[in-house]
Order: sequence, then structure tokens, then C-alpha cells
Amino acid sequence: AQSVTQLDSQVPVFEEAPVELRCNYSSSVSVYLFWYVQYPNQGLQLLLKYLSGSTLVKGINGFEAEFNKSQTSFHLRKPSVHISDTAEYFCAVSLSITGGGNKLTFGTGTQLKVEL
Amino acid sequence: GAVVSQHPSRVICKSGTSVKIECRSLDFQATTMFWYRQFPKKSLMLMATSNEGSKATYEQGVEKDKFLINHASLTLSTLTVTSAHPEDSSFYICSARFRGSLYNEQFFGPGTRLTVL
Repeated sequence: AQSVTQLDSQVPVFEEAPVELRCNYSSSVSVYLFWYVQYPNQGLQLLLKYLSGSTLVKGINGFEAEFNKSQTSFHLRKPSVHISDTAEYFCAVSLSITGGGNKLTFGTGTQLKVEL
Repeated sequence: GAVVSQHPSRVICKSGTSVKIECRSLDFQATTMFWYRQFPKKSLMLMATSNEGSKATYEQGVEKDKFLINHASLTLSTLTVTSAHPEDSSFYICSARFRGSLYNEQFFGPGTRLTVL
């Protein structure tokens, strides 16, 4: 079974500074990887996804993530954060549907707090 | 595109009553919908997977008789919390997957905050 680890429960950062939110996964087969953002009292919004191809994935709001198979990581980065990026970020992994994957497995989330 | 709505966004009810939450895919057909529960400052816990026209598949530890799920059409799934108690108070989020999707990409609703008094 696959699993996801987000080691950082909280990441404080000053506005306009760069940020990296870490995500590591474990799986014995190929996976698909996702980053979602959740603003207070709202559902999840897809930031970006890795399905195949280029390991550097660009998403919305200036975020990007790099898939590293050897390190089983999918870290999320933004070169310059804004106050409005303050939110909870979830990394998720799934197997392919044809491979028997029918669920998203979520990490425990990272609270990004952007300060002035 | 790929918008999922939930209704109501917030509900307060008395202990012992039942509450129905609707999840709709507005602009696509969703053969599969998922129901999650989220506790404060916690991750999402998958409760059940709902397939159109068939019985829902519940995760281990989730009471199927308490959390009734119906997926009557390709755009609507409902979650009914029966005989709700204060411990059922939580944030409930649904998601939907495109018909024919290979990647299990899910689109999430805005969530429903349930408070049981």
C-alpha cells in the first residue's frame, strides 16, 4: 500500500521569501502525485499534479513541484510567497485506476503561515 | 470546469436528528464520488467511496448504518448522518472523479460543517 509523509506540520515564512513544503511517499509501483491547498473552512483545491513525463510540474498561483523517483519525493516550492498563500497544504498519492488504485492517500498536511 | 458543490455549507442540528448533505458535480459526470471527514487541524479521512447505481464501499471503522450514502445519478451523491450525536460534529467534504479518469484525480466540494448540539 502507498503512504505519504509530510514531515513539517507548520512552516512559517516571511512574505516574498521562498518556501519549500516537503512530501515523501512510499510505494512499490508507479504512482500519481498531487498537491492540494485548503483555505480555512473550505474544500480542497488542486494546485498541481504529476502523472508522467517532465519531473518538474508547474501549477497554479506560482507553485511548482519536482518529482524525484530516487528520493521518492514530491516537494512543493514557490520562489516568493504572498500573504494570501497562508493555508493548509496536502500532498496526496494514488495508484492508477487500472493498477487497482481507487483512492487518494493524503499526508497529514502542512500549515503554511506567511507573515509580514 | 470541474466544479463540485455541496449543500448545505453549514448545518446545526439537535442530537438524535438526521441530516442529509448533498454533493453535486456541476459540469461533468462523476461515476465515483468520495466522502471524507476532517477533524480540526487534521488530514482528511476517507469514509466511503460511492459509485453511481451501486452500494457504497465503506472504509474500515465507518458505520454504514449511521452514514447512509446514496449515489442515484451521475451528478449527485448524498450522505445522511442518521441519529446524529455531538461526536458526529465535523467537517464533511465530498469529491468527484471524472467518468473515465485513469489517474484518480478528484475534484472537491467546499465542505459542510456539521454541528450537533
